[in-house]
Amino acid sequence: NAGVTQTPKFQVLKTGQSMTLQCAQDMNHEYMSWYRQDPGMGLRLIHYSVGAGITDQGEVPNGYNVSRSTTEDFPLRLLSAAPSQTSVYFCASSLTRQGRSYEQYFGPGTRLTVT
Amino acid sequence: RKEVEQDPGPFNVPEGATVAFNCTYSNSASQSFFWYRQDCRKEPKLLMSVYSSGNEDGRFTAQLNRASQYISLLIRDSKLSDSATYLCVVKRNSGNTPLVFGKGTRLSVIA
Repeated sequence: NAGVTQTPKFQVLKTGQSMTLQCAQDMNHEYMSWYRQDPGMGLRLIHYSVGAGITDQGEVPNGYNVSRSTTEDFPLRLLSAAPSQTSVYFCASSLTRQGRSYEQYFGPGTRLTVT
Repeated sequence: RKEVEQDPGPFNVPEGATVAFNCTYSNSASQSFFWYRQDCRKEPKLLMSVYSSGNEDGRFTAQLNRASQYISLLIRDSKLSDSATYLCVVKRNSGNTPLVFGKGTRLSVIA
């Protein structure tokens, strides 16, 4: 059981480049989410998904796209990278039953620098 | 007012001390409450859920005060390994709504 995996661990992009951060979980969790964490800002929710085919925006969705074609995978796409997107990105997943959330498991994070 | 507020610290305490953190939340419809721990440059991990009646897990005690809309975390007999950032987390209501994270309180336990 690998839990939540994220790739890559580190990435440097130039302004305007696009890329996809990968996230996968093998716990059959319905709920998956993406956060970014910046110094002094805490964790901010970018997008989340309550199941395959369903996604919704979080607090800071601009500049990011997501899709959820399978239960296991929840990739995050940066459309045109900007220096303001320099951050640590965490993917998380959890089980949900009848509206109740259980423990959220986080991946190890992707450290992204945009120059 | 932010939805979840915490004192950022840092709290610098000697080994063996008792330390308490508070967290306030603004949405009275909030249903579920948690404390997460995050070590430097690592991902957050669940420390404990917070139940209405209060709950204890070893040296850690969590309490919820719905009337005043705050939750607390008490750590007794602090260890060096307790040094971390403690995140207060609130779920707005039942249903598939996201968790809301506080910015965290930094704790340093000193030998």
